[in-house]
Amino acid sequence: EPEVTQTPSHQVTQMGQEVILRCVPISNHLYFYWYRQILGQKVEFLVSFYNNEISEKSEIFDDQFSVERPDGSNFTLKIRSTKLEDSAMYFCASSGEGVWNTGELFFGEGSRLTVL
Amino acid sequence: GNSVTQMEGPVTLSEEAFLTINCTYTATGYPSLFWYVQYPGEGLQLLLKATKADDKGSNKGFEATYRKETTSFHLEKGSVQVSDSAVYFCALYNFNKFYFGSGTKLNVKP
Repeated sequence: EPEVTQTPSHQVTQMGQEVILRCVPISNHLYFYWYRQILGQKVEFLVSFYNNEISEKSEIFDDQFSVERPDGSNFTLKIRSTKLEDSAMYFCASSGEGVWNTGELFFGEGSRLTVL
Repeated sequence: GNSVTQMEGPVTLSEEAFLTINCTYTATGYPSLFWYVQYPGEGLQLLLKATKADDKGSNKGFEATYRKETTSFHLEKGSVQVSDSAVYFCALYNFNKFYFGSGTKLNVKP
């Protein structure tokens, strides 16, 4: 069964360092998302990506964050200069439905980021 | 705005007990409602969904009914198993965006 894969599963970094989280969405999907969950809190929307550009982003997704789909298969989230409060589980998701989709989101297993 | 509130966990039940996890929402327009489940060490996966008022979503013995009058989408199962131990997320989809609750951890003891 097709699945979304994420790497690394866990990354520990020092404050101020750059981090790149990688995702391989399901191959025929068109919409890609990053969510995060700080321990014990809600799953929060960060950004959605369609047709090689950001379609929507939340207030959390400031200038420190960026996303790319460099080669048609990978979908990356970069945090330029990590802060302690960026420590969270980051989930990648993809969807194959149309713009007004009510379809299913397929999630990866998450990448846990710990900023020291 | 759009938001989802679900009951805090953890919820601990014995096998074969009846399960209810409450979820209420706030939304404009006509959202779709979902329950996602996260088993230990795995990503979130869709459990069931309902796209309009009075729809009932069901899967694997779980059910939830979209109640517009009470803005609720409570998850129920008549007889839980140890294998149902997981974190359950209520979610709302509206205007091309998903909103998730904070998750409710379910522990089922043999």
